[in-house]
Amino acid sequence: SQQGEEDPQALSIQEGENATMNCSYKTSINNLQWYRQNSGRGLVHLILIRSNEREKHSGRLRVTLDTSKKSSSLLITASRAADTASYFCATDATDKLIFGTGTRLQVFP
Amino acid sequence: DSGVTQTPKHLITATGQRVTLRCSPRSGDLSVYWYQQSLDQGLQFLIQYYNGEERAKGNILERFSAQQFPDLHSELNLSSLELGDSALYFCASSVGLAGVYNEQFFGPGTRLTVL
Repeated sequence: SQQGEEDPQALSIQEGENATMNCSYKTSINNLQWYRQNSGRGLVHLILIRSNEREKHSGRLRVTLDTSKKSSSLLITASRAADTASYFCATDATDKLIFGTGTRLQVFP
Repeated sequence: DSGVTQTPKHLITATGQRVTLRCSPRSGDLSVYWYQQSLDQGLQFLIQYYNGEERAKGNILERFSAQQFPDLHSELNLSSLELGDSALYFCASSVGLAGVYNEQFFGPGTRLTVL
């Protein structure tokens, strides 16, 4: 069963706008990771945030983690058409990584 | 390019058949993970190996089995195939274990179609 659930399921925005995706999970975690998947291709790791961290930045990406609410958010600023992809959160409680349901982001030029 | 290779890229076979998917992890990575991605089930963790030993199991059917060889490459065997086994199968690798803050590097996947 899925550990994480992303919200929204799908998001359409214009280039230059910001995109925010949310992830909720159920059990305690060691860390939370975000991955990106272009259609039909392998996933690519974006960023990892540890359970004792609250916010992390990487380029145009900003991730927050609220362990009390068991939720995380991924913000992509100044989006580009090339950001069009599905984004997954993944939680890492034991020896395996459990992926969420994904948010499909479409950025229109 | 993640450094993880998977063969074949596409596989079309019939129900009841058996297939083997192959994965070579990134150089130096000891952990190999297998995932199944389908439209209705999403991305499901199947099984993990670390340095040749099975470490974690997910939603892997009894008809499926895997192993990791001494050279660290891994194979996923799917037998008595059913229509519902049609999916993308991904292999991923990481330096250490999933629970030790390691990112995973994904291969390009094998698309299995069961007719």
